[in-house]
Amino acid sequence: QKEVEQDPGPLSVPEGAIVSLNCTYSNSAFQYFMWYRQYSRKGPELLMYTYSSGNKEDGRFTAQVDKSSKYISLFIRDSQPSDSATYLCAMNNNAGNMLTFGGGTRLMVKP
Amino acid sequence: GAGVSQSPSNKVTEKGKDVELRCDPISGHTALYWYRQSLGQGLEFLIYFQGNSAPDKSGLPSDRFSAERTGGSVSTLTIQRTQQEDSAVYLCASSLRGTGGRGTNQPQHFGDGTRLSIL
Repeated sequence: QKEVEQDPGPLSVPEGAIVSLNCTYSNSAFQYFMWYRQYSRKGPELLMYTYSSGNKEDGRFTAQVDKSSKYISLFIRDSQPSDSATYLCAMNNNAGNMLTFGGGTRLMVKP
Repeated sequence: GAGVSQSPSNKVTEKGKDVELRCDPISGHTALYWYRQSLGQGLEFLIYFQGNSAPDKSGLPSDRFSAERTGGSVSTLTIQRTQQEDSAVYLCASSLRGTGGRGTNQPQHFGDGTRLSIL
């Protein structure tokens, strides 16, 4: 079993929908949680960066971390066709070196 | 400002040849990371540099893989005697150095990678 599990999708939604993306993990040492967006043939772009449990909001994006359940989420409000990409969750511990990634969820937002 | 720059963007080579991949991190970032992204394996950590030293090489898949960083800036990842299973996208990331206290890790920013194909 992988340390970080993520539904690969693809997830197809209409424009304007609320999107929910999720990851579960098994390593309780993880303290930092990230969401990256990756367009085709591009590198991962950092969207959200959170420490420990709680919520963080940035524009249309909200990240939630529930360490007790080892579950993290990314919500996208008013989704746009330009949000169509692969979304990767990533996490690491206090040593702050390697990131452990989920496998990525491919999102398609249809006009 | 300039982000992480990687070259070449694409590389096609024959099995058995050596390849060198280059990463130029964001100015001022002391930490540098190499990852590999392939269809079956997702994104995998290879090696981490803090300054010119590599305290964590745990992800390098074999002794054919090596990396160095000089001047605390540019890094080169070298793959010797390439095999077809080395075909992947090689991604480099950089970050500021955290102060070591809780909640002080710095986020990693990625380049667009080198797409390596071994024939």
